[in-house]
Amino acid sequence: DTGVSQNPRHKITKRGQNVTFRCDPISEHNRLYWYRQTLGQGPEFLTYFQNEAQLEKSRLLSDRFSAERPKGSFSTLEIQRTEQGDSAMYLCASSPRDRVNEQYFGPGTRLTVT
Amino acid sequence: GQNIDQPTEMTATEGAIVQINCTYQTSGFNGLFWYQQHAGEAPTFLSYNVLDGLEEKGRFSSFLSRSKGYSYLLLKELQMKDSASYLCAVRSPANNDYKLSFGAGTTVTVRA
Repeated sequence: DTGVSQNPRHKITKRGQNVTFRCDPISEHNRLYWYRQTLGQGPEFLTYFQNEAQLEKSRLLSDRFSAERPKGSFSTLEIQRTEQGDSAMYLCASSPRDRVNEQYFGPGTRLTVT
Repeated sequence: GQNIDQPTEMTATEGAIVQINCTYQTSGFNGLFWYQQHAGEAPTFLSYNVLDGLEEKGRFSSFLSRSKGYSYLLLKELQMKDSASYLCAVRSPANNDYKLSFGAGTTVTVRA
């Protein structure tokens, strides 16, 4: 396993711009999760995919946020019209079909909105 | 909703033992997890409890009491590399998903 990878690792953008992040889960992991973490807090659940189906979205995920996992492999998280409050670390995690209790996190994408 | 509480910070000496407590009030319960997170890095899985009792994994042990809504993570023979944030997380059964609700984390500082 090469681990969960996320790109970019860092993103600085101006308020009002759109940004897109990518997550590549561990190969053959069918579940994929997006979390957001701010300084001094634990990760907060955003959304979850089982294969290509998006099964749940948090109320934190406003209509400016959209996530996809078109082929059941990599996923993208897009934020439109970014706001300063969107500044955070965006973490992706995946878990395998036969060990659903284990979530493996990627290194995260740190977003700074100026 | 989910309410997960853990202390903000703890300090201990190298070679000592530290116990990090976590209390939770959640709508349903389907497992409690502990993760370690070094500054600037991703959380890494440490332990999982779904039944009452103690789970031991080398220097780390985790305990769960479902009736009390309480767990602790015990770190023995502390090493400098154990300085990190320790996150308590609960999984609640809902719609067949496995999302985790995390506490704010306990920052443990190990001093020589």
